[in-house]
Amino acid sequence: GAGVSQSPSNKVTEKGKDVELRCDPISGHTALYWYRQSLGQGLEFLIYFQGNSAPDKSGLPSDRFSAERTGGSVSTLTIQRTQQEDSAVYLCASRDRLAGYYNEQFFGPGTRLTVL
Amino acid sequence: GENVEQHPSTLSVQEGDSAVIKCTYSDSASNYFPWYKQELGKGPQLIIDIRSNVGEKKDQRIAVTLNKTAKHFSLHITETQPEDSAVYFCAATSYSGAGSYQLTFGKGTKLSVIP
Repeated sequence: GAGVSQSPSNKVTEKGKDVELRCDPISGHTALYWYRQSLGQGLEFLIYFQGNSAPDKSGLPSDRFSAERTGGSVSTLTIQRTQQEDSAVYLCASRDRLAGYYNEQFFGPGTRLTVL
Repeated sequence: GENVEQHPSTLSVQEGDSAVIKCTYSDSASNYFPWYKQELGKGPQLIIDIRSNVGEKKDQRIAVTLNKTAKHFSLHITETQPEDSAVYFCAATSYSGAGSYQLTFGKGTKLSVIP
């Protein structure tokens, strides 16, 4: 079946502009995560959505970052007034929470964001 | 919160040799430890995982060991092949209630298998 998809695959923007990154999780997966991967670094947790519960936003680095998940499916990560330090690969992952606690997060291919 | 340290950051081995990657974690409540492989231009993919009630798990050429007392776990790849070349991430997770948990990742190990 279809995996997690993300768009665009690459995004180049100018400092100060807003960007929107999209994630389509695996159908039926109730949990959705956003991570940021900077060059040579591990994956930094940003935000977690679980069904209709309030999202866990504890990883968002500043109030310029926000995310939505509409209808329990597609999610959009928005970065306002982008800065050069926002340049990174943004990864989305989904998980079937109902399958149990010890189960896999499936990752999308990521969006490479470059802020000039 | 959880902190995961991963070593080495880069590792080069000859084809056919073994590779070992080590991770330590800080939160004694963590109870699930997955390993992910990330190939160039792709998202990470789970290759093996271990739960806290198990000390070792093996899947063909890949094995993971866990020492809860010392709070460290390791990935072992035997008979390495060029297609094993990738970045490997360890992670640790703990359950925070109401179905919410997070994975905390190490910074990754770039493995190069030399033919």
